[in-house]
Amino acid sequence: GQQLNQSPQSMFIQEGEDVSMNCTSSSIFNTWLWYKQDPGEGPVLLIALYKAGELTSNGRLTAQFGITRKDSFLNISASIPSDVGIYFCAGQLHQFYFGTGTSLTVIP
Amino acid sequence: GAVVSQHPSRVICKSGTSVKIECRSLDFQATTMFWYRQFPKQSLMLMATSNEGSKATYEQGVEKDKFLINHASLTLSTLTVTSAHPEDSSFYICSAREGDYGYTFGSGTRLTVV
Repeated sequence: GQQLNQSPQSMFIQEGEDVSMNCTSSSIFNTWLWYKQDPGEGPVLLIALYKAGELTSNGRLTAQFGITRKDSFLNISASIPSDVGIYFCAGQLHQFYFGTGTSLTVIP
Repeated sequence: GAVVSQHPSRVICKSGTSVKIECRSLDFQATTMFWYRQFPKQSLMLMATSNEGSKATYEQGVEKDKFLINHASLTLSTLTVTSAHPEDSSFYICSAREGDYGYTFGSGTRLTVV
């Protein structure tokens, strides 16, 4: 199946720093979603984006649906230790595909 | 919000046996559910789309005779791994969508074939 290119692959940051990750695709999507997955668990939805150019926030998280409909980014402000995990983007047109994931480590 | 229940969370089986994994949508109906497979430190790979009352749609490279999917009701889809082998050991996750809630995922099933 198709996968989306997500970067960076991993990040090690100090607590309090901001985080930025992005996702790109060769195909356009109607929906972009961002998920967080903890070890041994299923992904949990963080933010859903349904329109090109849309900028949506959820607490310290902000995500945008790229104008070209081929990309999206997620920002986390003022990171805290519980932000640790793997973040996945997902794009949906007729089907639903995941990005390659960004592993985030927050150092207290 | 929408809740998807997946069972079992962990299963260990002997090589050659079959294992069934259940995915239930709680408090909502899902005409379509999705099954994913995830290897350690990798992303989720879509295996198949489960359609209520009709045949599942499998992704390229996924053996439909090995990974049997049944979506007999609007709240239940099952994935049966038939004649399991060690290489089938993986984390299997289902998902379903309810209205505008986006796609909700089950908590996953860790399958270990020994």
